[in-house]
Amino acid sequence: EVQVVESGGGLVQPGGSLKLSCAASILTFSDSDMHWVRQASGQGLEWVGRISTKSNTYATAYTASVKGRFTISRDDSKNMAYLVMNSLKIEDTALYYCTDGSANWGQGTLVTVSS
Amino acid sequence: QSVLTQPPSASATPGQRVTISCSGSNSNIGSNYVYWFQQLPGTAPKLLIYRNNQPPSGVSKRFSASKSGTSASLAISGLRSEDEAAYYCATWDDSLNGRVFGGGTKLTVL
Repeated sequence: EVQVVESGGGLVQPGGSLKLSCAASILTFSDSDMHWVRQASGQGLEWVGRISTKSNTYATAYTASVKGRFTISRDDSKNMAYLVMNSLKIEDTALYYCTDGSANWGQGTLVTVSS
Repeated sequence: QSVLTQPPSASATPGQRVTISCSGSNSNIGSNYVYWFQQLPGTAPKLLIYRNNQPPSGVSKRFSASKSGTSASLAISGLRSEDEAAYYCATWDDSLNGRVFGGGTKLTVL
């Protein structure tokens, strides 16, 4: 059974940093783009960013509001993806999902940015 | 303001057919595959449709979708109370170089 599990969320002060991890037991993990999507309480889904596969040189892309602050990486040998978040802002508060952009989603990890 | 435009709400009675629209532009829907997701309250999104109109195995045949030009739509037939959820369209945007979601449509089964 495919499982995607996020971890690393928590409470952080504005300006702080946090690293989220995503463990994905997807058979074709190394052939799958991995995305991070967030959802603020009561709001819609917002795409955060994506890392592509080795064959696509692990290219990354980010939504404008996080560019320069967030970094996505992956370790195919461990079926892991990561989201490093720096210079966090109050508006980054949300439930963060890891997904292959299609059928496989985790349950999310909550990030709260507050003083 | 989302790049993809969906009606914020829709409603219908059990057994009816409801359609949810998703409007975009040439740089997104017009040139990329559309995905549809269902999100029940308190749960992660679930894939309903991929590549414009393909349902994953296990998804009810009551769900169907289509795409024409820069617009897409999701249809749900034989509406049931358990279909009450938020529905999101998504695609890649070549101009933004990123994935974009619609604002979501909250479906109420009356």
